[in-house]
Amino acid sequence: QQPVQSPQAVILREGEDAVINCSSSKALYSVHWYRQKHGEAPVFLMILLKGGEQKGHDKISASFNEKKQQSSLYLTASQLSYSGTYFCGTELQAGTALIFGKGTTLSVSS
Amino acid sequence: NAGVTQTPKFRVLKTGQSMTLLCAQDMNHEYMYWYRQDPGMGLRLIHYSVGEGTTAKGEVPDGYNVSRLKKQNFLLGLESAAPSQTSVYFCASSYVELSAGGPYEQYFGPGTRLTVT
Repeated sequence: QQPVQSPQAVILREGEDAVINCSSSKALYSVHWYRQKHGEAPVFLMILLKGGEQKGHDKISASFNEKKQQSSLYLTASQLSYSGTYFCGTELQAGTALIFGKGTTLSVSS
Repeated sequence: NAGVTQTPKFRVLKTGQSMTLLCAQDMNHEYMYWYRQDPGMGLRLIHYSVGEGTTAKGEVPDGYNVSRLKKQNFLLGLESAAPSQTSVYFCASSYVELSAGGPYEQYFGPGTRLTVT
C-alpha cells in the first residue's frame, strides 16, 4: 500500500525546476506532502483532496490526478532552502492514517 | 505552545530490555501517531490513535505496544528490544474535521534516536 515516489533523488542548481511524483495502486481520498531537512522533523507543505483544486504557495505547488491516482509536486525557480527530502503521504479514506512513500531527496546548489 | 514533545531524545538499550517513549502535545489534537524512520525506508506508521482510549495498528506494529490514556499523551512501549528496532522514532498529532475532509496537517515531534545493541 506504500505509495511510490519518483525520482528517488534530484540534483538542481538554484533557479531550476523540479517535479516529484507520487503514485498509488489504490484509489485515494487525499495526498499530503511534507519536507524534511537533515536531522529535523518533517514539516507539512500541503494537502490535496479528492475533487479538490490544485494547491500551492510561493513557488511550490501540487496537483492530484484522480484517474491515475497520482500526485505531482512542482518546485519552480528552486532556492537553496528547498533542499531536503520530500515525502508524500496517501490517505485511502477520510479519517484514516497516512501511509508515506520512501521519499525523494532534493539537493539544490548555488 | 510547545507543540509536540518527545521524551527521551536519545536512548541506548541492550537486547531484551524494555522502555517507553513518551509523546505529549498541547494543541488538543484528536489524532496521534507513532512512526519509525530508517534510511531509505521513509516514515513507516507503527500505531496510531483517533482519540483518548483508542489505538490502532499501522504498517509495522510487531514488537511495539501503545497506550492513549490521556488525550494529550501517546506512549510507545518496547517490551523486549531487538537490534532491528534501532531507528529514529517520530510522534505526530493532527486535528480532524471529517465534515471538511479528514485529518489535517500532522505536527511532528523532534524525534527519539534509539539504538539497540
